[in-house]
Amino acid sequence: EAGVVQSPRYKIIEKKQPVAFWCNPISGHNTLYWYLQNLGQGPELLIRYENEEAVDDSQLPKDRFSAERLKGVDSTLKIQPAELGDSAVYLCASSRGGTSTDTQYFGPGTRLTVL
Amino acid sequence: AQSVTQLGSHVSVSEGALVLLRCNYSSSVPPYLFWYVQYPNQGLQLLLKYTSAATLVKGINGFEAEFKKSETSFHLTKPSAHMSDAAEYFCAVTVNSGGSNYKLTFGKGTLLTVNP
Repeated sequence: EAGVVQSPRYKIIEKKQPVAFWCNPISGHNTLYWYLQNLGQGPELLIRYENEEAVDDSQLPKDRFSAERLKGVDSTLKIQPAELGDSAVYLCASSRGGTSTDTQYFGPGTRLTVL
Repeated sequence: AQSVTQLGSHVSVSEGALVLLRCNYSSSVPPYLFWYVQYPNQGLQLLLKYTSAATLVKGINGFEAEFKKSETSFHLTKPSAHMSDAAEYFCAVTVNSGGSNYKLTFGKGTLLTVNP
């Protein structure tokens, strides 16, 4: 079974520019997560989707970040405009169910560098 | 709110030696606990998880962890380290808040190096 796919793997942009990350979860997984991982830190949840619905976006900085999961499959995370502090790895994960014990499967991440 | 503390940001062992990575949790309700491994430029991979069944949990690649409520700990061990075990390890906690109200909270990670 194919894993979680993310693209691009690396992105370098100037500050104030927009950027978008794409995630394709494992087939059949209804729950999708976006995490932010700063250097030397563990991942922190940004948003969680159950199918098309964002059920937890409390940690998403909504002034500049947005996300969508049209049709309940692929998802896109956008930053506009990017700031220097947004440099980090953005991880996407998916799980078959939406409970606290469901295993989350992670993609390789997108490493963003903002200059 | 729940949290985990990983003691030691960097652990170095010799090949064949015991691996012990420490994790302590804080939770007001019974927790579910996880260990993930992250190899360079890869996503996190689940090693094992505790979901209130047996307190000694066996995972992949010879790793195991024991849930100790009295010590609020969930330390990860492996009897004999291999070079291929070199990676970053994350402990994580969540709780059953009912329905879909949950969040997986990660520690800061422990980088394991294995010396030949």
